[in-house]
Amino acid sequence: NAGVTQTPKFQVLKTGQSMTLQCAQDMNHNSMYWYRQDPGMGLRLIYYSASEGTTDKGEVPNGYNVSRLNKREFSLRLESAAPSQTSVYFCASRRQGMTGELFFGEGSRLTVL
Amino acid sequence: DQQVKQNSPSLSVQEGRISILNCDYTNSMFDYFLWYKKYPAEGPTFLISISSIKDKNEDGRFTVFLNKSAKHLSLHIVPSQPGDSAVYFCAASGSGTSYDKVIFGPGTSLSVIP
Repeated sequence: NAGVTQTPKFQVLKTGQSMTLQCAQDMNHNSMYWYRQDPGMGLRLIYYSASEGTTDKGEVPNGYNVSRLNKREFSLRLESAAPSQTSVYFCASRRQGMTGELFFGEGSRLTVL
Repeated sequence: DQQVKQNSPSLSVQEGRISILNCDYTNSMFDYFLWYKKYPAEGPTFLISISSIKDKNEDGRFTVFLNKSAKHLSLHIVPSQPGDSAVYFCAASGSGTSYDKVIFGPGTSLSVIP
């Protein structure tokens, strides 16, 4: 049971380059999320998708775009990477239910030079 | 403006004693609260949750208390074990159209000293 799978796990970019982080879940969850983790800032919500075909901005959406390709997959794109986007990125999906918990991937460490 | 706050960046506790991690929130529309634990180089893992209709929820060594009037919740770990050393995140979401927007706090790093 894979749960939430993120690729790539590590990436180094130069300023201005673009890239896409891929995320897939096999738990049939409706909701999916992208967070970034920075020291002292915790996990900050970038974008989320409550269901296939919908996406919404989170706390820090600037500089990012997302695509909910289907129920399983939710990708995060950096069109023109900046050093401020150096971070660890986590994808998650949420179990349906009152206090449905989020299940996280292992993270993708991105460095922008 | 941070909606979920964890004002203690770190906490040290002796093995076997109680660990109390605190969380405050500013959005009175939050109805669901979750605690997560994170080890270095791993994704966060779910610990325990509580909805606003309750004031306490227990799961083994972990208990979460919610004081809705004070917009405060706490996670109690009893007894604390060295394997509990990790960063703990508090998270919150609303209901209805706000249910899916899950906001996390900055985290508290817990060290359990053997």
